[in-house]
Amino acid sequence: DTGVSQDPRHKITKRGQNVTFRCDPISEHNRLYWYRQTLGQGPEFLTYFQNEAQLEKSRLLSDRFSAERPKGSFSTLEIQRTEQGDSAMYLCASGSADTQYFGPGTRLTVL
Amino acid sequence: EDQVTQSPEALRLQEGESSSLNCSYTVSGLRGLFWYRQDPGKGPEFLFTLYSAGEEKEKERLKATLTKKESFLHITAPKPEDSATYLCAVQVTGTASKLTFGTGTRLQVTL
Repeated sequence: DTGVSQDPRHKITKRGQNVTFRCDPISEHNRLYWYRQTLGQGPEFLTYFQNEAQLEKSRLLSDRFSAERPKGSFSTLEIQRTEQGDSAMYLCASGSADTQYFGPGTRLTVL
Repeated sequence: EDQVTQSPEALRLQEGESSSLNCSYTVSGLRGLFWYRQDPGKGPEFLFTLYSAGEEKEKERLKATLTKKESFLHITAPKPEDSATYLCAVQVTGTASKLTFGTGTRLQVTL
């Protein structure tokens, strides 16, 4: 299967801990996106990479959040000092200017 | 600010009962309008991208149309496997990055 993959699929952590998620995009895609989705809502944009360059960040991406895409391949999203409000599904997508294909998501629960 | 509103929030249809979902949008300039299907606990699945008023796209029992203010997703003779949340998103002119999503329409198709 050559779709977008995310790891882990589920993460349970305690408030104040740091967590890191990984996204492996479809190999030929140079654009990579991170979104966050809470129950009953549509995905909300967090950040966008073209190759290794982070070109756009949402106001939602506080200083506790950081994303990287070394060498323009996989990407990581780190949340430091997690809060209960960070509980959500974190979605990664890759694609072109005209399509974005989503991965299965990482569901984060902060206790 | 860019806004996307979907209606109805939820829709229950009997198998074979055709209907339409609505997505109205307010943007500074529309580059593209996207439709996705999302099953519970999974990432959104790409369906269509529409670019200009009057454009239509079809896939199996689904047909998407676009006007200057809204888009419709028509479902013809739905089956139980069409049950899902359908999400609409807009991409603004001058960017090729983030999608702004609506909150979705939860569709249930019963026998």
